[in-house]
Parts: sequence; C-alpha cells; structure tokens
Amino acid sequence: EAQVTQNPRYLITVTGKKLTVTCSQNMNHEYMSWYRQDPGLGLRQIYYSMNVEVTDKGDVPEGYKVSRKEKRNFPLILESPSPNQTSLYFCASSLFGQQETQYFGPGTRLLVL
Amino acid sequence: QKEVEQDPGPLSVPEGAIVSLNCTYSNSAFQYFMWYRQYSRKGPELLMYTYSSGNKEDGRFTAQVDKSSKYISLFIRDSQPSDSATYLCAMTPLTNDYKLSFGAGTTVTVRA
Repeated sequence: EAQVTQNPRYLITVTGKKLTVTCSQNMNHEYMSWYRQDPGLGLRQIYYSMNVEVTDKGDVPEGYKVSRKEKRNFPLILESPSPNQTSLYFCASSLFGQQETQYFGPGTRLLVL
Repeated sequence: QKEVEQDPGPLSVPEGAIVSLNCTYSNSAFQYFMWYRQYSRKGPELLMYTYSSGNKEDGRFTAQVDKSSKYISLFIRDSQPSDSATYLCAMTPLTNDYKLSFGAGTTVTVRA
C-alpha cells in the first residue's frame, strides 16, 4: 500500500529535550515536506526537500532541523523544543514537479510542556 | 493579511443538501488550486485540483476557479454524513519552490 508513515503519532515532552519525528514514504517520491497545523492558521510549511541532500526552508523554519540522507526518509528534528512548538505535524511527499498532488502522513500530535 | 483566506465555519447542513465552500487569495501567481479533505485525527487527502481558471467535476464534487476575482469554490452535491470533515483549500504557483499555501480549513457537518 502506498503511504506516508510518521512516528510517533503522539508525543508529550518537556522544554529543551531534543526529539525527532520520523517520516517515511514508500512511493519513491523525490519531494518531501513538513507542515505544522494550528487552529485558525491552517497548514504552514516548515521545511521541504526536493531530493536526497537537498533541503530548504519553508515559511516557519525557526526551531526545526531536517535531513534527507535517504530518498524515503525525512526526519524532523527539534533540538530544543519550546511550548510554542506544540502543534500537529504532518509530513507529505510527491513526485518531482507534481506538488499539486502531495500525499500526507497521518500526523504527529506534539505537546511541549 | 493572509495569502489565502477561508471561512472556518463551522458549516452544518442536512443530508442531501449542496455544500458550498470557498477561498479567496491575494497572490496572482497562483496557478494550481487544490481541495483537500481532512477527517478528524487523519492527514489531509487530496480531493481534486484545477489548473488555472475553469471548472472541474468529479462525481458529486465540483471545483471552480475564477482567477479574475481570485476566488475558488468547491461544491458538494447530494451531501452525505460521510462528507463530514474539514475541507482545506491550497494553491501554488508554477515555480520550483514547491510551496503550497493553505487556507485555514472549513469544518463541515452533514446531519443525517
């Protein structure tokens, strides 16, 4: 089954404790992206990657890091989480040049205390 | 001002009614216009997309784009309780930055 998977699905952590949210896709997509979803603000792009070792900032990159060492994986790293990073996070992927047809993962709900 | 504006609702309609959703935008560079459906506790799933202006129909769903007014719409005919979800509009220009701009989403409930 073609899918985007994320882990963990739910996470409660404390301020300053580094964490990683994993994202993996099995569709051989070149493009992958991370979004956060907040009430009233919709989905905002954090980082995206057009292929292995190619990443770039989205609209809200502050406080986040990413890496793309393999085509299928695109982890999101919060080196020192803060309460304003409490949010619902989605990973998405698509074929190169087809950003209009992105496939989304199930989401990771993060609470930073 | 947000780049994409979407009324968050909520919108409640009886089963069988026509659901009308819309978004306005400010960036005239947008060329692809998408509608996503998001069920509670799930990721968004693409319903349909339209390139430039015009209409597109897919079963009970019709998407309309009016670039002159910077206005897009989604109509759901013969709505069903299974259509209850949050509907997100999204749009992107024909550039290489792969950036999608999303509306805040409209929550729809179809009452049986």
